[in-house]
Amino acid sequence: ETGVTQTPRHLVMGMTNKKSLKCEQHLGHNAMYWYKQSAKKPLELMFVYSLEERVENNSVPSRFSPECPNSSHLFLHLHTLQPEDSALYLCASSQETDWTEAFFGQGTRLTVV
Amino acid sequence: AQTVTQSQPEMSVQEAETVTLSCTYDTSESDYYLFWYKQPPSRQMILVIRQEAYKQQNATENRFSVNFQKAAKSFSLKISDSQLGDAAMYFCASMNSNSGYALNFGKGTSLLVTP
Repeated sequence: ETGVTQTPRHLVMGMTNKKSLKCEQHLGHNAMYWYKQSAKKPLELMFVYSLEERVENNSVPSRFSPECPNSSHLFLHLHTLQPEDSALYLCASSQETDWTEAFFGQGTRLTVV
Repeated sequence: AQTVTQSQPEMSVQEAETVTLSCTYDTSESDYYLFWYKQPPSRQMILVIRQEAYKQQNATENRFSVNFQKAAKSFSLKISDSQLGDAAMYFCASMNSNSGYALNFGKGTSLLVTP
């Protein structure tokens, strides 16, 4: 059983849709991350939140909008996506007292049609 | 910027044998960490082993061990007594405090374990 839960597990959306990915961690961590995993490419860091403040935004297009309402929840709001945005989106969390151990969720497989 | 390179897209090992997965990295930082993560078909990334750059002793976790060559910027993973459950994608990753404690991954190596 994972301490990081992502919903939905699979999502198919049209390019004009608006949807949100949700991540919840039950580990008491204070840092959360969004990664994008595309085929044949390394995982790409998208966003980092520490103590609910965004500390990094890796030049991600504005059609991806993160939200961290509290230390346990992280959202990724999606709108007007492109087919090349189809990927596995992974959420992770860590504790700043031991930031070297990140725990991952099982990801949301997103397909943009 | 940090880069992590895994030059083996796929590897195969027979059950009970030993296999070594290669990883090289490039960083200008003096304080950093290195990791190996496993991603089975369930898609969840699982930490296999980690190494602090300032430690000369190679990390070991049961059947998993690393060969950390700091001068060569090499960080290979050795899996001993391979088991069918070891079949997965293996990702090498680096981290330092200047990256916001985020992981920087290689492209991964797909490990097949044959009976």
